[in-house]
Amino acid sequence: DIVMTQSPDSLAVSLGERATINCKSSQSILYTSNSKNYLTWYQQKPGQPPKLLISWASSRESGVPDRFSGSGSGTAFTLTINNLQAEDVAVYYCQQHYNSPLTFGGGTKVEI
Amino acid sequence: QLQLQESGPRLVKPSETLSLTCIVSGDSISSNGYYWGWIRQPPGKGLEWIGSINYIGHTYYKPSLRSRVTISVDTSKNQFSLKLTSVAAADTGIYYCARQNGGTYLRWFDSWGQGALVTVSS
Repeated sequence: DIVMTQSPDSLAVSLGERATINCKSSQSILYTSNSKNYLTWYQQKPGQPPKLLISWASSRESGVPDRFSGSGSGTAFTLTINNLQAEDVAVYYCQQHYNSPLTFGGGTKVEI
Repeated sequence: QLQLQESGPRLVKPSETLSLTCIVSGDSISSNGYYWGWIRQPPGKGLEWIGSINYIGHTYYKPSLRSRVTISVDTSKNQFSLKLTSVAAADTGIYYCARQNGGTYLRWFDSWGQGALVTVSS
């Protein structure tokens, strides 16, 4: 199984500041034939299901504010939230879909 | 607008079978290009993929759960189901159904149900 490791487990960020969340995979999830990283980011607010934010490591879903951005390649990825808003308080998860079984990171809790 | 809704018993006794159904509305479960998955989340913990199925019944399971899991689809009712046998307390958690786009189960989950909290207890 590909192990997804997120860091930190939690972080507190002031309103308007930047939050940076890291995700590392135990093996490369870059598919060289199409140059795509098989990495997805989700946001989960309390009492809600996860919401898809970013696919292919850096492609923001429709309707997701542009303060959310994803970067990285191979085994190291980052989710950045610029200009943090109160509604961004949530747990963020990464997920690889490079191979089976699909696996998720342990989550990073973002607080104000 | 696509909606998924989990239904089924919320309390299951140890050693018995957990059964949940995901009712899909707003789109056809038979639409080509979709897989339909189950994911669970123990209380206060992270997410775990259980398995996925497409409309013709191709299934893929997490290997560590394969011996206990069956996922099936009923296209006439636009729903798919999860059965998990021989449950224990460790199987307690929120069970989500979700859609995967892209014609493969090796994909992200783009639409989720609200989740069903299932407790395993005598």
